[in-house]
Amino acid sequence: GQNIDQPTEMTATEGAIVQINCTYQTSGFNGLFWYQQHAGEAPTFLSYNVLDGLEEKGRFSSFLSRSKGYSYLLLKELQMKDSASYLCAVLDSNYQLIWGAGTKLIIKP
Amino acid sequence: GAVVSQHPSRVICKSGTSVKIECRSLDFQATTMFWYRQFPKQSLMLMATSNEGSKATYEQGVEKDKFLINHASLTLSTLTVTSAHPEDSSFYICSARITEETQYFGPGTRLLVL
Repeated sequence: GQNIDQPTEMTATEGAIVQINCTYQTSGFNGLFWYQQHAGEAPTFLSYNVLDGLEEKGRFSSFLSRSKGYSYLLLKELQMKDSASYLCAVLDSNYQLIWGAGTKLIIKP
Repeated sequence: GAVVSQHPSRVICKSGTSVKIECRSLDFQATTMFWYRQFPKQSLMLMATSNEGSKATYEQGVEKDKFLINHASLTLSTLTVTSAHPEDSSFYICSARITEETQYFGPGTRLLVL
């Protein structure tokens, strides 16, 4: 079966750095996405990785290792507004998104 | 980025009634749109894939006679929840595919069935 694992909840301090991990087992791979979702809102796109390595975009970076079935989202200089759920999703061989359960990130002052 | 709208943003209805939710791609054409459902504190669950001009493809466990999907044009897909019950109360989100790798999400519709 297809499976995506990410921690249920993480807590970090304002101004610090946090890394949210995601491991996946899917039928085929056409890329991995990270989305941010605030409570009561639809997901918003953060990053897309299809090749191994690190993609940096401002305070957010995303890393992918296809051989390990592993990705992480790195958030630097955390701000209170970063409190949200972070969803990892993999595009499988049929180009369908397989979603992780999401990681709720709590930022404390 | 591309814009996808949903209407209504929230709806309250009585048990047994039907509710229609519209999903529109405002500045691009989408041959494929997706409908998701999200219960509180859970991830998105794909309900169905809507293809313009053809029947929708439903995920296992989703009743196609209860959740009617119509994709009549390249910019509009509708989801009708028929004979809604309280357990259908959820956050319904659509997305429109612009390329194989890219889909844009609508803002979501919160349905409350009393």
